Amino acid sequence: SYVLTQPPSVSVAPGKTATITCGGDTIGSKSVHWYQQKPGQAPVVVVYDDSDRPSGIPERFSGSNSGNTATLTISRVEAGDEADYYCQVWATSSDLWVFGGGTKLTVL
Amino acid sequence: QVHLVQSGAEVKNPGTSVRISCKASGYTFSNSAVHWVRQAPGQGLEWVGWINSLNGDTKYSQSLQGRVSIGRDSFASTSYMELSSLRYEDTAVYYCARVSPPNLWSNPFDFWGQGTLVTVSS
Repeated sequence: SYVLTQPPSVSVAPGKTATITCGGDTIGSKSVHWYQQKPGQAPVVVVYDDSDRPSGIPERFSGSNSGNTATLTISRVEAGDEADYYCQVWATSSDLWVFGGGTKLTVL
Repeated sequence: QVHLVQSGAEVKNPGTSVRISCKASGYTFSNSAVHWVRQAPGQGLEWVGWINSLNGDTKYSQSLQGRVSIGRDSFASTSYMELSSLRYEDTAVYYCARVSPPNLWSNPFDFWGQGTLVTVSS
């Protein structure tokens, strides 16, 4: 089965840049989506198709994907960005959908 | 405005079954897909399965295959998920989520239900 690997936690000071990675075998050939989940709430997509943003998501959120690593970058981090972040792909080889284990972003 | 409204919390005994509903509104239900995702307490997101609302095709997580069933009632714009032979480790919040066309397989889960807490306890 296809596995996506994320760091359990990332910490960043306000105003700095947070980088969250998502590793998977040739993930660069897949469309990666990123979700933000705050406590007690349903997930919300913040980046889709590697680097596109849904309407209403700040430009501070960006994504990239190449080789075996996809990356979510949050610039000028704010306290309100503190949340869990999950990457997700459709694993074509198994025809199933997969989430990464999630990364807890802490704003110091 | 797209909305997915799920049925209420459930408490079930081990070995029994649970059925959760997800009523959609604000879009054309029949040309989209609905995924089900669960989240155990303090844990990450786990994909459960999906149904293509157009043709009823389903796929399920390998870990739940044989115990989970997903269906839909297109007239009621509602998807259902049933999980049988419940175990304590099935305790989780279960979410439904929509995928819109054209790429039902690779598009993101763009709208989510509010979640339904299923507690398995004796």
